[in-house]
Amino acid sequence: EAQVTQNPRYLITVTGKKLTVTCSQNMNHEYMSWYRQDPGLGLRQIYYSMNVEVTDKGDVPEGYKVSRKEKRNFPLILESPSPNQTSLYFCAAYTGAEAFFGQGTRLTVV
Amino acid sequence: KQEVTQIPAALSVPEGENLVLNCSFTDSAIYNLQWFRQDPGKGLTSLLLIQSSQREQTSGRLNASLDKSSGRSTLYIAASQPGDSATYLCAVSSNTGKLIFGQGTTLQVKP
Repeated sequence: EAQVTQNPRYLITVTGKKLTVTCSQNMNHEYMSWYRQDPGLGLRQIYYSMNVEVTDKGDVPEGYKVSRKEKRNFPLILESPSPNQTSLYFCAAYTGAEAFFGQGTRLTVV
Repeated sequence: KQEVTQIPAALSVPEGENLVLNCSFTDSAIYNLQWFRQDPGKGLTSLLLIQSSQREQTSGRLNASLDKSSGRSTLYIAASQPGDSATYLCAVSSNTGKLIFGQGTTLQVKP
């Protein structure tokens, strides 16, 4: 079964404490991407990756980092989280055709 | 810059009605268009994918059409049921793999 797995599903953290949200896919897809979803703003792309060691900024990359050292994993790193990064985060994997999404990570930064 | 718009933003219908959700996009140079369903606080579930060379796709009570030249897609839901209540999102992708989403249509089907 095609699967994109994000962890953790829920996270409450304090301002400035570095955190990593993991994303793993079992489909061997080349493309992976991170989105954040906020009320009234919809889904916005943070970073995407077209293959191993190839990453690029999306529409809202400030305050985030990513890495793609292997095809299946695409972690999202917040070096110094701030309250404006409180959001629902989704990881996606796709071939350039159908996209598959993880279940989401609800992050609260206090 | 590609922009995706979905109309209406919200829709409430009685059970059994047929309904149409609309999606429009500004740049016709898309690779494909995908419709998703999202339940509150949950992830996105892919419903239908239409490649740029296709005009429609069907799955059960759902039918999605694509008119690239006019920059429009519709999602038709036949004989709606309360279980169809959710937010429906359309997304277009470029050949670089970037997905651009509309804001979604929140559907409520009343028993």
